[in-house]
Amino acid sequence: GAGVSQSPRYKVAKRGQDVALRCDPISGHVSLFWYQQALGQGPEFLTYFQNEAQLDKSGLPSDRFFAERPEGSVSTLKIQRTQQEDSAVYLCASSSSSGGAGDTQYFGPGTRLTVL
Amino acid sequence: AQSVTQLGSHVSVSEGALVLLRCNYSSSVPPYLFWYVQYPNQGLQLLLKYTTGATLVKGINGFEAEFKKSETSFHLTKPSAHMSDAAEYFCAVMKYNQGGKLIFGQGTELSVKP
Repeated sequence: GAGVSQSPRYKVAKRGQDVALRCDPISGHVSLFWYQQALGQGPEFLTYFQNEAQLDKSGLPSDRFFAERPEGSVSTLKIQRTQQEDSAVYLCASSSSSGGAGDTQYFGPGTRLTVL
Repeated sequence: AQSVTQLGSHVSVSEGALVLLRCNYSSSVPPYLFWYVQYPNQGLQLLLKYTTGATLVKGINGFEAEFKKSETSFHLTKPSAHMSDAAEYFCAVMKYNQGGKLIFGQGTELSVKP
């Protein structure tokens, strides 16, 4: 019933700390996307899952960023050794089918990460 | 590379006036086209989308957009602005066979004056 949920909603980290951001997609949705939205900018694609398979990770900015979706439902975006430039809102979206074709993506409220 | 340009980072209209938010895309093949709205501290909500068929698309809250292939445009309009329309609006494209990732414009902040 519920939409996409994300936790935590706000996260403050000291530079160098590791963080983990969680996304609960709409139940039964096959595709899951992560986007990064810097202040005053449009969201930018990070990575995409179809069920548990990570099919596209071309948008991950560095090897400090890692995402997983081990059971094809909940996903976690992990950022290691956070840097100030990682400060942004991280958005998760899910869609009911696979492969694009104009499918609607439903977005969560985002996690606002601030790295001090 | 695919790109999306939204003309005007800030648009201000009076309540009851026409809303026009501009979006142009660059692509040799017309992509799927979307408009999303974002209210403060909230996620993005789909207003409308164009995939195939009729080029004039109607969405929620009285918004509509027209796909013009010759102009590579997908401008968003609403005949009469309401105070509740004040928000950030994003145009986005999705290319065929790229797994569904969206490429967003920079966004346009709409202000509505009483």
